[in-house]
Amino acid sequence: QKEVEQNSGPLSVPEGAIASLNCTYSDRGSQSFFWYRQYSGKSPELIMSIYSNGDKEDGRFTAQLNKASQYVSLLIRDSQPSDSATYLCAVNEYSSASKIIFGSGTRLSIRP
Amino acid sequence: EADIYQTPRYLVIGTGKKITLECSQTMGHDKMYWYQQDPGMELHLIHYSYGVNSTEKGDLSSESTVSRIRTEHFPLTLESARPSHTSQYLCASGGLADTQYFGPGTRLTVL
Repeated sequence: QKEVEQNSGPLSVPEGAIASLNCTYSDRGSQSFFWYRQYSGKSPELIMSIYSNGDKEDGRFTAQLNKASQYVSLLIRDSQPSDSATYLCAVNEYSSASKIIFGSGTRLSIRP
Repeated sequence: EADIYQTPRYLVIGTGKKITLECSQTMGHDKMYWYQQDPGMELHLIHYSYGVNSTEKGDLSSESTVSRIRTEHFPLTLESARPSHTSQYLCASGGLADTQYFGPGTRLTVL
């Protein structure tokens, strides 16, 4: 059973600080990695994708990938109250083309 | 503007009724997906399609069925709704490199 594991939280971070969200996955063949943001009652929104080892930056967001350790993370700099949401890690399933496996999500709360 | 649409957004219906949840996308994507998500819970894949006339069952057993007659359209049908079908249904379409883009969802309540 392919798995994507996340700490469910809630993770509470003060406004202006760095929020760090972590994810591990079990499928060694996975090549595509994603972070989605989901506000309560809304649908998931793609915020980052990463395909090679290292860091990828987009504005206040940085995704980090380490395939050897089967670990992917998301850093949010200068956290804002609007960043309060559930963050879903998703990983492609190598054996089944175009399917991705979602983690259960980490709830992030930015406190003023 | 390319987008993905779902109708209705909210549906309250009685037990035993047949319902169809609509999903359309204007992005020209071949791959489309249906997920089910209860409040505060995980996403579960219930159906997917690689293109016209292709449909597959997902990881979560579902009593629903889907069809893919046109690239842009991927409707989901429940022949006889039951209270256990109460949930949020999310449609997604798949772009390049496994990216998936979600529609706004349909919140279904079966009384």
